[in-house]
Amino acid sequence: AQSVTQLDSQVPVFEEAPVELRCNYSSSVSVYLFWYVQYPNQGLQLLLKYLSGSTLVKGINGFEAEFNKSQTSFHLRKPSVHISDTAEYFCAVKGGGNKLTFGTGTQLKVEL
Amino acid sequence: NAGVTQTPKFQVLKTGQSMTLQCAQDMNHEYMSWYRQDPGMGLRLIHYSVGAGITDQGEVPNGYNVSRSTTEDFPLRLLSAAPSQTSVYFCASSNPERGGYGYTFGSGTRLTVV
Repeated sequence: AQSVTQLDSQVPVFEEAPVELRCNYSSSVSVYLFWYVQYPNQGLQLLLKYLSGSTLVKGINGFEAEFNKSQTSFHLRKPSVHISDTAEYFCAVKGGGNKLTFGTGTQLKVEL
Repeated sequence: NAGVTQTPKFQVLKTGQSMTLQCAQDMNHEYMSWYRQDPGMGLRLIHYSVGAGITDQGEVPNGYNVSRSTTEDFPLRLLSAAPSQTSVYFCASSNPERGGYGYTFGSGTRLTVV
């Protein structure tokens, strides 16, 4: 069975500061990991994904994530956030049948 | 391409009523799923389908039915609505056989059961 833990429910940060959103996973099958972003009153949009290969994955809007197998983590980072990055971020792991298991989400609030 | 289209966007139901949430995709994706999103609980899988005529239960299937008669459509039926089904519902599709891991999501249906 697969599971995802997002350790922080809310992360406040000032504009232009760096941010890290934490995600830990467990999986009994090959590890495919995803980060999604949800802006208010919208659906989920894929930020980036790790399927194999390089452990540093770059996504849209300047975000990147690092897959760490020994620590079973897939933390999301951005070196300098913008007010428009305010949104909820979800980490997910793929299971059998291409089913996704999501974490409970991290609300990123960027302040001026 | 329209992507994944969900209708309606908003719905209010009375307890005991039934309704169907519509989901259609025009990307020829084989895999489709329904999720519900509740505050503090992330997204939970209700039902999913790996192709026309094939469906299976997810994590929270009770009170919901699905069918997949075509590749494009994957409707979700609420048989007898209950206040516990008040939620935001998302439909999603993907095509992993073509390397399309990761789902494309619709914009959601916000359902309130009173």
